[in-house]
Amino acid sequence: KNQVEQSPQSLIILEGKNCTLQCNYTVSPFSNLRWYKQDTGRGPVSLTIMTFSENTKSNGRYTATLDADTKQSSLHITASQLSDSASYICVVSVNNNNDMRFGAGTRLTVKP
Amino acid sequence: EAGVAQSPRYKIIEKRQSVAFWCNPISGHATLYWYQQILGQGPKLLIQFQNNGVVDDSQLPKDRFSAERLKGVDSTLKIQPAKLEDSAVYLCASSLGAFAGGGGEQFFGPGTRLTVL
Repeated sequence: KNQVEQSPQSLIILEGKNCTLQCNYTVSPFSNLRWYKQDTGRGPVSLTIMTFSENTKSNGRYTATLDADTKQSSLHITASQLSDSASYICVVSVNNNNDMRFGAGTRLTVKP
Repeated sequence: EAGVAQSPRYKIIEKRQSVAFWCNPISGHATLYWYQQILGQGPKLLIQFQNNGVVDDSQLPKDRFSAERLKGVDSTLKIQPAKLEDSAVYLCASSLGAFAGGGGEQFFGPGTRLTVL
């Protein structure tokens, strides 16, 4: 059973709209949580990284939130653009070492 | 700054054949990772090198997969013989420090898409 669950599996929105992607995790002890964007045919690119003490972090139109108590994170995309079409992967690191648990990703499609 | 380079970008082989992938990490990055990403799934770590030593290869199917990082720079990942279930994208990543999970930035290459027929 994957310890990092993402929802929805896929999402289609219209250009200009906002959306929120979810990530729930069960791994412990928690070190940090990252959101990556992976364009088709490319490697993942880091958007945000949050430690236990951080509950929100922004990167342009991307805002990630973290609730370490409920072990939930979300990635909010504001005023979506066609270039936001990609997979968004949540990654949770365990125990401050190299044990990184990847979610399966959410496939976002932004349509004109 | 040049990113992580991988080649080839695409490879199609028949089952039981052999294949090799090449990765050139970002200059100065001590740590190199190989991931397998099956369609619709997140990447799975296959092996991690620190310079030219192996840190973690617990999920590497060692009966058919091998990897090396000579001189602590470039790396090759080999599959011999390939099976149908090896069809995936193979991603190489590098990081400056030893533990990307500890907060260090990890940079990914574009990947090699392998199709096994």
